[in-house]
Amino acid sequence: AQKVTQAQTEISVVEKEDVTLDCVYETRDTTYYLFWYKQPPSGELVFLIRRNSFDEQNEISGRYSWNFQKSTSSFNFTITASQVVDSAVYFCALSESGGFKTIFGAGTRLFVKA
Amino acid sequence: DVKVTQSSRYLVKRTGEKVFLECVQDMDHENMFWYRQDPGLGLRLIYFSYDVKMKEKGDIPEGYSVSREKKERFSLILESASTNQTSMYLCASSYPVGVHEQFFGPGTRLTVL
Repeated sequence: AQKVTQAQTEISVVEKEDVTLDCVYETRDTTYYLFWYKQPPSGELVFLIRRNSFDEQNEISGRYSWNFQKSTSSFNFTITASQVVDSAVYFCALSESGGFKTIFGAGTRLFVKA
Repeated sequence: DVKVTQSSRYLVKRTGEKVFLECVQDMDHENMFWYRQDPGLGLRLIYFSYDVKMKEKGDIPEGYSVSREKKERFSLILESASTNQTSMYLCASSYPVGVHEQFFGPGTRLTVL
């Protein structure tokens, strides 16, 4: 069965600190897709990244970076030099190839204080 | 820009009422989804639709039904609202082929009294 675990319920950091959000997943499929979404206080989830199971290269986009490790079934998200605007709930999600369903983790609420 | 809109941001209903939540997308997406979001539980899939008049149950369909008469519109219906259906409801859409990210609406916070 598919499962996504985000063990950190809430994280609080001070502006300019680096922060890593953890995501651990379970699946029996060899082909699958992992996602991160951001939900700011306005409520609308915003897509950040999609990664398929055959691409283990880490990715960097500005202050955001993602570390995908199949050996530990993890897809962690790091924000470098955090800013107040990064305050949001972040969701990690998993989809299996050929399916319609996406399984979401419980989310991690990030507070960035000025 | 993909746009997914939901009919209401906030809704207050009474127990036993029939409730309609509407979702419209403007990107010609085949796939549309309804989720509910509760603290500590993340997003849970209620129903999804992969074409007009087609629907599939998600993980928590009990107490809900859906309607998709037009490609751009996907409605969630609470036949007889109950207090345990108080939640945030999120609609999403996505491209049909392969596995793609979903585009979400702003959500409807429903309170059932």
